[in-house]
This record gives sequence, structure tokens and C-alpha cells, in this order.
Amino acid sequence: GDSVTQMEGPVTLSEEAFLTINCTYTATGYPSLFWYVQYPGEGLQLLLKATKADDKGSNKGFEATYRKETTSFHLEKGSVQVSDSAVYFCAQNTGGFKTIFGAGTRLFVKA
Amino acid sequence: DVKVTQSSRYLVKRTGEKVFLECVQDMDHENMFWYRQDPGLGLRLIYFSYDVKMKEKGDIPEGYSVSREKKERFSLILESASTNQTSMYLCASTLRVDRKDEQYFGPGTRLTVT
Repeated sequence: GDSVTQMEGPVTLSEEAFLTINCTYTATGYPSLFWYVQYPGEGLQLLLKATKADDKGSNKGFEATYRKETTSFHLEKGSVQVSDSAVYFCAQNTGGFKTIFGAGTRLFVKA
Repeated sequence: DVKVTQSSRYLVKRTGEKVFLECVQDMDHENMFWYRQDPGLGLRLIYFSYDVKMKEKGDIPEGYSVSREKKERFSLILESASTNQTSMYLCASTLRVDRKDEQYFGPGTRLTVT
């Protein structure tokens, strides 16, 4: 069945370090891909999305490119800040009612 | 901006009580969802609704029911709360599922059943 796999956390980085959170998916159709972020005590909010192969989603310095050949959508940021500490969820939707979420990756950024 | 609100941020209930969690969205979205979020288990879909009075079971509907009498409001009901329903509950909405739209989430309700 369709699934999303993302790297286990927690990921701990120092401020200004480079961030990569890996995400791969399996899908029977052509999904839209998403990264959501959840700050402590809050709900999820959309960080970025891509709707077709080779699209790059970007927001707040974060980027992810839809790679159909490797079925991946890795999240990257060149220089993280303490305020980026949160849980990050990769997700896919192939057009049905069900969005499939990864298990989430917790990021800690130290000053 | 889409706004999804949930009736309570924190709730403490006793075992056996009937519990109502309410969710309201203000952007005329057709589709609404209830998830629960537990450490190590991610988000699990409880129920969703694609129109007023229409509902479908998700992955873990046992022990829950839902109600959608108005387009903007989607309620989750725990008929007889149990301690294993202690969790974070998240409501979400989306405009069009056929366009693979993103979901908009509320802030969550952290429910503790004692």
C-alpha cells in the first residue's frame, strides 16, 4: 500500500548548521507531496508542497524537490535557527480522502 | 487565511463520561477530518466527512462517532471515554480532495481521561 517513510529522530543540530530530513514514499498514483511542521503545543501547519515531478517547494528558507525517480522529497535548510525546533512531517496525497503522514522527525536546534 | 478552531486546548474527563470535541472552519471547506496523535504512532485518521451529514470511518473509528450538521462544524464524540483514549486530537479541513489539496489543522485538543 501507499506509505511515507522519514528518518527517525531526534535530530540535534547547532544553530546555523545545515539540515536534511529524508523522506521517501511509495504510491500507486501521482501524489502531491507535503512537509508540515508542528511547533510545541500546536497543530500541524503546512511548510511547503510540490504537486508534480521536479517541482521544488520552498518556504522560510526550507526547500524540498519532488524526485520521482528516487521517490523522495527530502527537506533541507542551509542554516537552521533555534526557532526551527519542532516536529516535521512528510506527507502524500494521491487524490483521495486519505493523506498519508510519516511518523514525524523531531528537530532540536541548540544555540 | 483559513482558520480551523477547536473548542478546547486541554480537557480532563473521567472514565465513562461522554465527551464532545468540536471543530469549526471558516473557509467553506467540503472535507473535514479528525485525527489522534500519539508518541511513536504519528497521526491516525479516526473519521472524515465529505459533506454535511456524510461521514466515513478512518483507520481507528472504534469508540468514536462524529456529527456534521453544518458545513463548517465537525464534532467528535467519545460515547464512553476510556483511559486509552487519552491523546492529542487534531481536526483538519481541506477544500478539494480531487486536487490533492493540503490540509489545514486546528491547534489540537489534549484530552486526558482519568
